[in-house]
Amino acid sequence: KNQVEQSPQSLIILEGKNCTLQCNYTVSPFSNLRWYKQDTGRGPVSLTIMTFSENTKSNGRYTATLDADTKQSSLHITASQLSDSASYICVVSGAAGNKLTFGGGTRVLVKP
Amino acid sequence: GAGVSQSPSNKVTEKGKDVELRCDPISGHTALYWYRQSLGQGLEFLIYFQGNSAPDKSGLPSDRFSAERTGGSVSTLTIQRTQQEDSAVYLCASSSSGTGRIYGYTFGSGTRLTVV
Repeated sequence: KNQVEQSPQSLIILEGKNCTLQCNYTVSPFSNLRWYKQDTGRGPVSLTIMTFSENTKSNGRYTATLDADTKQSSLHITASQLSDSASYICVVSGAAGNKLTFGGGTRVLVKP
Repeated sequence: GAGVSQSPSNKVTEKGKDVELRCDPISGHTALYWYRQSLGQGLEFLIYFQGNSAPDKSGLPSDRFSAERTGGSVSTLTIQRTQQEDSAVYLCASSSSGTGRIYGYTFGSGTRLTVV
């Protein structure tokens, strides 16, 4: 069964600090992996998309890594800001890229 | 339009009533998805439309749930005889398609359904 597991479920960090979110998946065959940010009451917004051959991709203060051999990804947030408080969702696409498997998300709370 | 539009944004209904949720995808996007997000839970796949192909209904939780996509564009998700456990945010997403491409999924802001 295709699964995507994220950790931690939630975390609290102080403004300005860094944090790293983890995503492990068992989706096979693999097409691509995405990280989304979801603010409360809004739909998910794409942060990064990575294919099998990509190891790292950045979007501003967000940097995602992918190890397709171990089926692990991470999302690193640098110099966190209050606006980073949201849920971060890891989404993996299988064959042909159309079927999405969602992780349960990590809820990040940035405190001043 | 520029994004995926969903309506209504909020819906409160009495238990046992039917509801219809609407999704207007990005123009030209052939793939359309419905997801459900219960409070504090992850996203749950409901149904997937791709062009003129038969939809993938494997995620619909019961026969009270159905969806249509008319003319390959607007989609309606219908929940009959609503139950309290149907309360959730219903999200719609659309994407372009094409072999070998990275699909640009775009989500709507969702419809928050509350069954009282």
